[in-house]
Amino acid sequence: AQTVTQSQPEMSVQEAETVTLSCTYDTSENNYYLFWYKQPPSRQMILVIRQEAYKQQNATENRFSVNFQKAAKSFSLKISDSQLGDTAMYFCAFMKQNFNKFYFGSGTKLNVKP
Amino acid sequence: NAGVTQTPKFQVLKTGQSMTLQCAQDMNHEYMSWYRQDPGMGLRLIHYSVGAGITDQGEVPNGYNVSRSTTEDFPLRLLSAAPSQTSVYFCASSAGTASGNTIYFGEGSWLTVV
Repeated sequence: AQTVTQSQPEMSVQEAETVTLSCTYDTSENNYYLFWYKQPPSRQMILVIRQEAYKQQNATENRFSVNFQKAAKSFSLKISDSQLGDTAMYFCAFMKQNFNKFYFGSGTKLNVKP
Repeated sequence: NAGVTQTPKFQVLKTGQSMTLQCAQDMNHEYMSWYRQDPGMGLRLIHYSVGAGITDQGEVPNGYNVSRSTTEDFPLRLLSAAPSQTSVYFCASSAGTASGNTIYFGEGSWLTVV
């Protein structure tokens, strides 16, 4: 079975600073996908970034980047130049290749302070 | 440009009542799924479908039924509502590898069972 662990229930960061959210996962699969989703108070699920396990290069999307360590089964999200609009719950998710079923972590609540 | 549409957005049920949460997508996606989100937790998979006429159980299927008679629609039925089913429900769809295995979520349905 796949498990996803987010060990930081809540984090705070000052506006314009950088913050890193942690995620570890457990799987015996070799090919899979990892995702970070943002959930603002509206509860909408917004894709932030995705990473294919077969790619060694870390994914980046504007101010968002990941540090993917396949051997360590670690997938952290770095948010640079934090903005007030980044305040939200962030969920790490795992999906087996061609399976289309997500396994989610319990989430990290990020507060960006002015 | 509707994407994934869920109705109703809010619903209050009495214990023992039945209801159907509707989900429709206009992206011709093969894969559709239902998740529930309880306080302080990530999303958990209830049921999923890999195409019209094909459904299967996820992590927490008890108390829920689904059917997939068309590609577009994937309704979730609660046969006899219980307070433990109070949650936020998300429908999602994906084109699989054709969309990079990215899953698109609806805006959520808030269900309270009293």
